[in-house]
Amino acid sequence: SQQGEEDPQALSIQEGENATMNCSYKTSINNLQWYRQNSGRGLVHLILIRSNEREKHSGRLRVTLDTSKKSSSLLITASRAADTASYFCATDRQGAQKLVFGQGTRLTINP
Amino acid sequence: GAVVSQHPSRVICKSGTSVKIECRSLDFQATTMFWYRQFPKKSLMLMATSNEGSKATYEQGVEKDKFLINHASLTLSTLTVTSAHPEDSSFYICSATTFQGYGYTFGSGTRLTVV
Repeated sequence: SQQGEEDPQALSIQEGENATMNCSYKTSINNLQWYRQNSGRGLVHLILIRSNEREKHSGRLRVTLDTSKKSSSLLITASRAADTASYFCATDRQGAQKLVFGQGTRLTINP
Repeated sequence: GAVVSQHPSRVICKSGTSVKIECRSLDFQATTMFWYRQFPKKSLMLMATSNEGSKATYEQGVEKDKFLINHASLTLSTLTVTSAHPEDSSFYICSATTFQGYGYTFGSGTRLTVV
C-alpha cells in the first residue's frame, strides 16, 4: 500500500538550477525519509526528518516537514547532472513499524 | 555503517520453477526485515514484514503461498518466489532494521526475470 503522493511525477531542469519535490502522506508518522534511486539500482538514503522537526539540511539538500498539512518537500540546490535519479519519500508510520514509500519523482538534470 | 547484502543481484528462471532471494545484515542483528517489489518506473510496494522466528506479515493482496518468506536468524531472511510466472518478473528489494537507531538499511535489489 502506498502512503501518499509525490509531485511532480517527473521534473526536468537545467544543471545549476534548484529542484523541488513534494511529498504528501495520510497518517501520523514517527519520521519521514528521502531516498534516491538510480535507474535499476538500489536505494540511497538521503535524509531523515523526525516528526518534531520542521527543517533539516544536508549539503545541497534541504528538507521541510509540515505535519499539520502532512507534507514534506525536498530541495536540491545547484543541481548537477549526477543528481539525475528517482527520488522517493518514505514514511515511518506511528504504530506500524514499517516504511511505506510515496510514488516518487523522476528528476532529470540537463547539462 | 549498517550493511545489508542481497543475493543474487540478477536471476533468470523458467516458468514454473522457484527462486530464492537472500537478504543478510552483515554487521548488525536485524529484528525485522522487509521485502519490497518494484515494477519499472514505479515505486516500491511493501510485500511483507518478517520478524526473526515468527511468521511473516503480508500486505493486503500479496499471496503468501506464492511469496514464501523465512526469517530464520537475526541476520538472514529469504524470499522464495514459488512456481514463478512471467508476471512475477520484477525488482525485489529487502530492508532490515533493529528499530534502535540503525534506521532502515536496504539491500541492492534483485532483478528477477521469468521466461
